[in-house]
Amino acid sequence: GAVVSQHPSWVICKSGTSVKIECRSLDFQATTMFWYRQFPKQSLMLMATSNEGSKATYEQGVEKDKFLINHASLTLSTLTVTSAHPEDSSFYICSASEDLSYGYTFGSGTRLTVV
Amino acid sequence: GENVEQHPSTLSVQEGDSAVIKCTYSDSASNYFPWYKQELGKRPQLIIDIRSNVGEKKDQRIAVTLNKTAKHFSLHITETQPEDSAVYFCAAKRNTDKLIFGTGTRLQVFP
Repeated sequence: GAVVSQHPSWVICKSGTSVKIECRSLDFQATTMFWYRQFPKQSLMLMATSNEGSKATYEQGVEKDKFLINHASLTLSTLTVTSAHPEDSSFYICSASEDLSYGYTFGSGTRLTVV
Repeated sequence: GENVEQHPSTLSVQEGDSAVIKCTYSDSASNYFPWYKQELGKRPQLIIDIRSNVGEKKDQRIAVTLNKTAKHFSLHITETQPEDSAVYFCAAKRNTDKLIFGTGTRLQVFP
């Protein structure tokens, strides 16, 4: 079945620094990937839709200049959290699908802690 | 846009009992309804899904029912086991649109 790989699984960074998270579809091509954020004991909130070769579509309230998304190939999307602050600490999960009319396969997630 | 509500937020059952989680959606054009199971610190895993042209789908101990008129769908787990303990999320979407998740249900199965 479809496999989505996400790295790193966890990262600790200092306030003001930037962190890059990678999401790869290992056995299929994904023209579209999705980035979600999940706070403890909460649901998955869609941050943005990443489109290969074009600009990402951000959900209302998500700062596009803070959460930079690059989808340079059919198998790789990256999320960069710029100038991270403690309130950005969260679980970030990417997802992709071979067939967008069905459900998504999720990456393993990245737990970001900003100190 | 689509809005998905999920109830209950927590559910505790005795091993062997059944568990039912209910979701309602707002967009009548939504036609795909998956359910995900998420264990602590791990990724959500698709456990069952249903399309709008089907009223019920079953896979061993889990089943999903859909009522398009009322715009709600439910997850049924029979003969629950301790390993069923996790957070369950329903979701809904229309065609290739983005997937919108419910708020989640924390299921605890006591031995």
